[in-house]
Amino acid sequence: SQQGEEDPQALSIQEGENATMNCSYKTSINNLQWYRQNSGRGLVHLILIRSNEREKHSGRLRVTLDTSKKSSSLLITASRAADTASYFCATEILTGGGNKLTFGTGTQLKVEL
Amino acid sequence: KAGVTQTPRYLIKTRGQQVTLSCSPISGHRSVSWYQQTPGQGLQFLFEYFSETQRNKGNFPGRFSGRQFSNSRSEMNVSTLELGDSALYLCASSPSRNHQETQYFGPGTRLLVL
Repeated sequence: SQQGEEDPQALSIQEGENATMNCSYKTSINNLQWYRQNSGRGLVHLILIRSNEREKHSGRLRVTLDTSKKSSSLLITASRAADTASYFCATEILTGGGNKLTFGTGTQLKVEL
Repeated sequence: KAGVTQTPRYLIKTRGQQVTLSCSPISGHRSVSWYQQTPGQGLQFLFEYFSETQRNKGNFPGRFSGRQFSNSRSEMNVSTLELGDSALYLCASSPSRNHQETQYFGPGTRLLVL
């Protein structure tokens, strides 16, 4: 079963606009990670935020984490056509042990010229 | 460093057959995890290997198995294939099996079962 639900399932925006994706999860976590996937290919790691962190930035990406609400958001600023992809949140849970990620359902982002 | 490589990239099999997929992790990485991605179930964890030992296992039937070799390369095997096994199989590696580590994914093997 999947740990996380992502919202929206699909998002279409114009180039230059910001894109926000949300992820909710069910159990306590060690960390939450965001990945990008282009057209059914491999996953590319974007950012990892630990459970004791509230916000993290990487280039045009900003991730927030609210452990009290069990939710996270990914903001992509000044989007580009090349950002078109599926975005997944993934959680590493406290009792899991090792490197086991539980993925959300994903958001399909389309950035139009 | 070269990334995670998976072979073959595409595979077509028929029901009842078995299949073996291979994953070579990034040099120096000792943990290898496998995931299955389907349109219906999304991305699901299969198992994780570290130092030739299976450390974690997802909720998949015993037809799904794997192993890791001393050079950290890993294989997964699916026996008695079913139509529902058609999926993208992704392998990921990380340096160790500590928490808070990034996993690096390969391009995947797309398996079609007819």
